[in-house]
Amino acid sequence: AQSVTQPDIHITVSEGASLELRCNYSYGATPYLFWYVQSPGQGLQLLLKYFSGDTLVQGIKGFEAEFKRSQSSFNLRKPSVHWSDAAEYFCAVGEGLSKSTFGDGTTLTVKP
Amino acid sequence: DTGVSQDPRHKITKRGQNVTFRCDPISEHNRLYWYRQTLGQGPEFLTYFQNEAQLEKSRLLSDRFSAERPKGSFSTLEIQRTEQGDSAMYLCASSLGLGNTGELFFGEGSRLTVL
Repeated sequence: AQSVTQPDIHITVSEGASLELRCNYSYGATPYLFWYVQSPGQGLQLLLKYFSGDTLVQGIKGFEAEFKRSQSSFNLRKPSVHWSDAAEYFCAVGEGLSKSTFGDGTTLTVKP
Repeated sequence: DTGVSQDPRHKITKRGQNVTFRCDPISEHNRLYWYRQTLGQGPEFLTYFQNEAQLEKSRLLSDRFSAERPKGSFSTLEIQRTEQGDSAMYLCASSLGLGNTGELFFGEGSRLTVL
């Protein structure tokens, strides 16, 4: 069965600093990988996705993620964090094009 | 352009009562998903539909849970004889079928509190 691990429950960074959120997955085939963001009181919104091809993918709001098959990882990065990036971030692996399995999320706090 | 809408946004009920949640997906989406999210955890898959066909149910779903999508448009999730452990956020998402790239579009959720 597929699974997703987000090792960091909570991360705090200063505004303007760089950010990396970790995600490790377990899936037998070529994975479909996603990062979603959830702000308080709002639904989950897709940041970016990976299916194939270039292992570095760009998303919305200045985020990017890199797929590393050898490490079963799909880490999310942003070079300079803004206060509005404070939210909960979820990594997910898709089982083909049917359901997705989500990690337990990482809460990002941004210090002024 | 309307996104995925869910109703009600918040439901408080007493243990043993039945509750029903409604989800209206994005109109051109033929796949619809239900997830459950508890505090400190990510969304857990419950079930999904392609048009009106229910294609998969999670083992998390007991026989107290049922979902329908009778005309392939809106869906309902019913929980019978609610228990305190059912307290959670119930999320609905939709996606395209043909041409689906796996992206899910989520509603804002229906929060259930069982007293």
